[in-house]
Amino acid sequence: GQQLNQSPQSMFIQEGEDVSMNCTSSSIFNTWLWYKQEPGEGPVLLIALYKAGELTSNGRLTAQFGITRKDSFLNISASIPSDVGIYFCAGRVSGGTSYGKLTFGQGTILTVHP
Amino acid sequence: DGGITQSPKYLFRKEGQNVTLSCEQNLNHDAMYWYRQDPGQGLRLIYYSQIVNDFQKGDIAEGYSVSREKKESFPLTVTSAQKNPTAFYLCASQRIYNSPLHFGNGTRLTVT
Repeated sequence: GQQLNQSPQSMFIQEGEDVSMNCTSSSIFNTWLWYKQEPGEGPVLLIALYKAGELTSNGRLTAQFGITRKDSFLNISASIPSDVGIYFCAGRVSGGTSYGKLTFGQGTILTVHP
Repeated sequence: DGGITQSPKYLFRKEGQNVTLSCEQNLNHDAMYWYRQDPGQGLRLIYYSQIVNDFQKGDIAEGYSVSREKKESFPLTVTSAQKNPTAFYLCASQRIYNSPLHFGNGTRLTVT
């Protein structure tokens, strides 16, 4: 099956710093999604990307769908304490029997010190 | 408000007992999914269903069973055959193909 490598595994930053995390795949994906999960809750969608090269922003968050279709990154600018959580990338291969099936990265644990 | 409801939030069972986790959605979504989450790992797909009365095994289906008798409901049974059932279980739904998944708030199952 598809493999996704997400890095870094964890980040400890000061409030106000920018954050960058990325995912790389051994397979070509047609969709990249970025989710945030807070403790004891389900993941919440942050950004969805559907085209190679696409760059999309959602407030202080910016994500890009890599040109090779095998990678994606997420940037958070000017971090604040409520950015704390686990960030997951997820990719989807279209067509065939893989309807809707997402492959998830291992997650990046973000800690923001005030 | 539309959403996905998982219940209960916490569940404790003795080893050897089957247990069923509930997932209900009122989003009118066609597809529903069950994922398992363990510390330090990404989400792993257990089962998914694209339409009522049909479901498919995911990557780690052994020891689990599901049913999809209604569009709104997709219960997951963790059977005694599941060797390591303690985990956080997440249910998700999807409106149409290639749209993002929407997740419930999970059920934490502890088996002792």
